[in-house]
Amino acid sequence: NAGVMQNPRHLVRRRGQEARLRCSPMKGHSHVYWYRQLPEEGLKFMVYLQKENIIDESGMPKERFSAEFPKEGPSILRIQQVVRGDSAAYFCASSPAGGGTDTQYFGPGTRLTVL
Amino acid sequence: QQPVQSPQAVILREGEDAVINCSSSKALYSVHWYRQKHGEAPVFLMILLKGGEQKGHEKISASFNEKKQQSSLYLTASQLSYSGTYFCGTRGDSGYALNFGKGTSLLVTP
Repeated sequence: NAGVMQNPRHLVRRRGQEARLRCSPMKGHSHVYWYRQLPEEGLKFMVYLQKENIIDESGMPKERFSAEFPKEGPSILRIQQVVRGDSAAYFCASSPAGGGTDTQYFGPGTRLTVL
Repeated sequence: QQPVQSPQAVILREGEDAVINCSSSKALYSVHWYRQKHGEAPVFLMILLKGGEQKGHEKISASFNEKKQQSSLYLTASQLSYSGTYFCGTRGDSGYALNFGKGTSLLVTP
C-alpha cells in the first residue's frame, strides 16, 4: 500500500511567482491535512479538506494561500506571489476518516525555497 | 494551543532509557506521538485517547494522564535508530487538526 505522496520534493521560486504543491493521499483515505514546518519548529496546521470540501482552514493565511481537494486527482496547496517568509517544508497528511481517534499519516514533504 | 514538550533535547548512550513529556493547558481528547528524522516525514508511533490508557510498541510506550492533560513517551533500552525529533500532537474535544509541540531532539550514541 503506497504511502502519502507529495511532489515536488523540492521547489525553488523567485519572489512574486506561484508555488503549487501536490499531495496524493494513501489509498482509501479521503481526508487531507496540510501543515507547514519552519526550521527547528513543530508542524503548524494550515487546512483540512475532504473530497471537494474545505472543512477547516483556520490555519491558512488570509491572503495568497489556497487549497483544494478535487473529486479526481491530488490535493493542491497553492501559494501566489511567494515571499521569502514562505520558505518552509510543507507536509500533507491523510487519514481514512476525520474523527478524533483518526491517525494522520504524513507524506515526505515539499521543501519550498523562495529566492 | 501548542503543547509544551520537555526536555528540548537529550543525548543517550545506546541501551539507556529516556522519557519525553508533553503537556497542554487545554482539555485533550487524544495525544499522537511521531518521530521525525532530519529531512524526512514524521512517522506515526502511537495514539492515546482520553481515558488514561497506556500503550506500547516494542520498547517504546506512552501514557496519557487525562486529569493533568499530560502524556509521556517512554523509550527503553534505546537503539541508535531511535535518534530523531519526537513530536507530540494533541487534539481537543472539537476540531480536527493536531497541535504539535516544538519537538524533543533525541540523539543516541554508540
